[in-house]
Amino acid sequence: AQTVTQSQPEMSVQEAETVTLSCTYDTSESDYYLFWYKQPPSRQMILVIRQEAYKQQNATENRFSVNFQKAAKSFSLKISDSQLGDAAMYFCAYRSGYETSGSRLTFGEGTQLTVNP
Amino acid sequence: EPEVTQTPSHQVTQMGQEVILRCVPISNHLYFYWYRQILGQKVEFLVSFYNNEISEKSEIFDDQFSVERPDGSNFTLKIRSTKLEDSAMYFCASSEGDGTYEQYFGPGTRLTVT
Repeated sequence: AQTVTQSQPEMSVQEAETVTLSCTYDTSESDYYLFWYKQPPSRQMILVIRQEAYKQQNATENRFSVNFQKAAKSFSLKISDSQLGDAAMYFCAYRSGYETSGSRLTFGEGTQLTVNP
Repeated sequence: EPEVTQTPSHQVTQMGQEVILRCVPISNHLYFYWYRQILGQKVEFLVSFYNNEISEKSEIFDDQFSVERPDGSNFTLKIRSTKLEDSAMYFCASSEGDGTYEQYFGPGTRLTVT
């Protein structure tokens, strides 16, 4: 079974600064997808960014980028130019790329990000 | 922008009672999911549903749980006889397809079992 671990329960960053959230995972599969979801106080989880394991290039979405280290099974999220609206719980998640394994998401524990003005 | 909606936002029930949590997925989506998050714990997968049947379920999803798509728009999770440990946030999600398609989450229903 796959596991996802986020070792930072809480992080804080100053507005306009850069912060990196860590995520490691364990899997024996070679085909999979990794995701970062944001959960603001409104509770609705929103996809921030995703990475296909077969892609060597790190995904980027505006101020959000990942550092995907497949051999190390590491998938960190970098938020540049942090904004007050970035404050939320961030979840790392894994999904198998194999049809027979289904499409369930396996989540990490979450990292609560505070952005200080 | 279309979104997944869930009702009620908060449900309080007594132990042993049946509850039905409701979700309206995004209209052109074909795959539906339920997840739950016990306070302070990870978000956990419960079940996925496609073509009017369960396509996958976790070990949590035992006989006291059931899912249904009673009409063309709603997707429900029924807990037959609630226990204290069922208290959690329940999230519905939907996706256009399987595989690489993004799962869109609803705002959740907080279930409190007393």
